[in-house]
Amino acid sequence: DSGVTQTPKHLITATGQRVTLRCSPRSGDLSVYWYQQSLDQGLQFLIQYYNGEERAKGNILERFSAQQFPDLHSELNLSSLELGDSALYFCASSTTISGGQAGEQFFGPGTRLTVL
Amino acid sequence: EDQVTQSPEALRLQEGESSSLNCSYTVSGLRGLFWYRQDPGKGPEFLFTLYSAGEEKEKERLKATLTKKESFLHITAPKPEDSATYLCAVQRAAGNKLTFGGGTRVLVKP
Repeated sequence: DSGVTQTPKHLITATGQRVTLRCSPRSGDLSVYWYQQSLDQGLQFLIQYYNGEERAKGNILERFSAQQFPDLHSELNLSSLELGDSALYFCASSTTISGGQAGEQFFGPGTRLTVL
Repeated sequence: EDQVTQSPEALRLQEGESSSLNCSYTVSGLRGLFWYRQDPGKGPEFLFTLYSAGEEKEKERLKATLTKKESFLHITAPKPEDSATYLCAVQRAAGNKLTFGGGTRVLVKP
């Protein structure tokens, strides 16, 4: 158990819908990362938040957005869903070491999204 | 752009048959190279971080090594419970995101 929690475990929805995925980082971790894992693309970085502020962006679609709340939990919002958005979505968290550099990232169990 | 290539894509081993997995990388200023283990439908589980060429780390039957262009994960006398996908990732000095390779699926048969 990494200490990172994600809900829900599974999500089945229809094209065009909007969903919200939730993540709670390990106690004390200020950084939260979101990754998407699909069969053809592997694990892809989406976005990072640090202590409530967006820190880095990867290949995140404009239909996707995220935020980190004062209690440090994070939500990933996916809208206008398409069949190709079906994937595993992982949240990870890390400590911050000297110079603001992040330490090792610990992953949650993931949310499996199926878009029908 | 950072690139990570893992080989082979899949590996079938008999219990006790040692082998090595390869991770080749190109990155602008490596801060760290990470190895993770992932079981089907689960999140990646952190194994090792390597920071500089020549560094080695061990954990049970696993040993990771690093050179300036690649990393190896050696599995010594594997057991069926070592069956998993092993992922390699790099993190550049200026940034925190991880860039992952495609992984190596390892199956250890009893």
